[in-house]
Amino acid sequence: AAGVIQSPRHLIKEKRETATLKCYPIPRHDTVYWYQQGPGQDPQFLISFYEKMQSDKGSIPDRFSAQQFSDYHSELNMSSLELGDSALYFCASRQGASTGELFFGEGSRLTVL
Amino acid sequence: SQKIEQNSEALNIQEGKTATLTCNYTNYSPAYLQWYRQDPGRGPVFLLLIRENEKEKRKERLKVTFDTTLKQSLFHITASQPADSATYLCALHPGYSSASKIIFGSGTRLSIRP
Repeated sequence: AAGVIQSPRHLIKEKRETATLKCYPIPRHDTVYWYQQGPGQDPQFLISFYEKMQSDKGSIPDRFSAQQFSDYHSELNMSSLELGDSALYFCASRQGASTGELFFGEGSRLTVL
Repeated sequence: SQKIEQNSEALNIQEGKTATLTCNYTNYSPAYLQWYRQDPGRGPVFLLLIRENEKEKRKERLKVTFDTTLKQSLFHITASQPADSATYLCALHPGYSSASKIIFGSGTRLSIRP
């Protein structure tokens, strides 16, 4: 069965650079969530989208922006990267009308040097 | 502010025993609560969901209870096996919209020793 696909899986950037993470949800899933997980930390909610509209926002820095496109894939853009942005970034998807489980991708590991 | 606490950072259990994990929350009224399993470096995997009007849910060796008065959920793994070793996360959903934020607890790292 198709799963949530995230790219790239690993990314190394310098401070003050820009990074873009991509998320391709499971087919027919119209809801996407983004989470940031630091080492030994719980996943921190960043932002969610439903039907290409931002639905809810969490602790997402102003340096970050995200959107969901017409094909439901989503991109997380991070600018002016800081050392503290180093983390695993997870994308999760589900069908918006349901209240069920989130399907997570394998994550994108961002390292800022 | 909203807060979710899971009983301990780590729990060590002898194989075959029942593991019980706790999730407590404050300043929150979730419509439903989920439990996920996470292995190192991997994305969380959904295990069970329980709604605010449900007291208990079961799935194979897993059982979840939800007490909205105590603001607590208990997650049980019976007949535990070394393969059950992982971090277990509880997650709360407010239910006011389908894509509203889902907040995760800090997780409990469970180790099952043979």
